[in-house]
Amino acid sequence: EDQVTQSPEALRLQEGESSSLNCSYTVSGLRGLFWYRQDPGKGPEFLFTLYSAGEEKEKERLKATLTKKESFLHITAPKPEDSATYLCAVPPKFGNEKLTFGTGTRLTIIP
Amino acid sequence: EPEVTQTPSHQVTQMGQEVILRCVPISNHLYFYWYRQILGQKVEFLVSFYNNEISEKSEIFDDQFSVERPDGSNFTLKIRSTKLEDSAMYFCASSKDRISTDTQYFGPGTRLTVL
Repeated sequence: EDQVTQSPEALRLQEGESSSLNCSYTVSGLRGLFWYRQDPGKGPEFLFTLYSAGEEKEKERLKATLTKKESFLHITAPKPEDSATYLCAVPPKFGNEKLTFGTGTRLTIIP
Repeated sequence: EPEVTQTPSHQVTQMGQEVILRCVPISNHLYFYWYRQILGQKVEFLVSFYNNEISEKSEIFDDQFSVERPDGSNFTLKIRSTKLEDSAMYFCASSKDRISTDTQYFGPGTRLTVL
C-alpha cells in the first residue's frame, strides 16, 4: 500500500526563521506529488505539483523540491499568516485518480 | 478565479437519517471526487466519478453511500442511514484532467455532525 509520511508533526518558528518540512513516499513510478495548505476547518488549498526528481516550484516564501524518495517544502522568512497545516499527497502508481494524503505538518509562526 | 463550492457548510443530523451533501465543481472540470476528514485525522479518499459513473471507491464507501451528478453543475454525496462514525468534514474536489497532468481542487467542506 502506498505510504506518505510527513515530518515533523508540528513545528513552531519565530517570524523570519526559515525551515523545511519533509514528505517521504513509498509509491514507485511517481505520477505526481501534491502539496496543499489547510487552514483549520477549511478545505485543502492547492500549492504545488511536482512530477519528476529534481523539479522545484516556488510561490512567495515557499519552495517545493522533489527527489526520488521525498519532497521538501522550504519556507523562507515566514510570516504569521503562513501558519497552517501543510499536507502532501500522492496518487497510486497505476490507474485511478485517488490521492493518498500524509497526516500533515502543523506549522505555527510566532510574531 | 473559479472554485469548488459546497453546501451546506454544516449539517447536523440524527443517527439513521439520510443526508445529501452538495457540491458545485469547477465548470470545465470532468473528474469529481469526495474525500472525508475525521477530526484530527488524515484526509481520506471516498470516491471518484468520471463520465457519469464511479471510477474508483474506497473501502469506506459502502452501500450506505452513493454519488450522483443530477445535472450539468451539481455533484452530490448521499449517506442513506447515518452513523455516529460518519461525523467528519466532507470535501468535494474536481479536476480538469487525469492526475498525471492536472491537479485536484478542493471545496471548503461540509462539517457533518451525527448525533
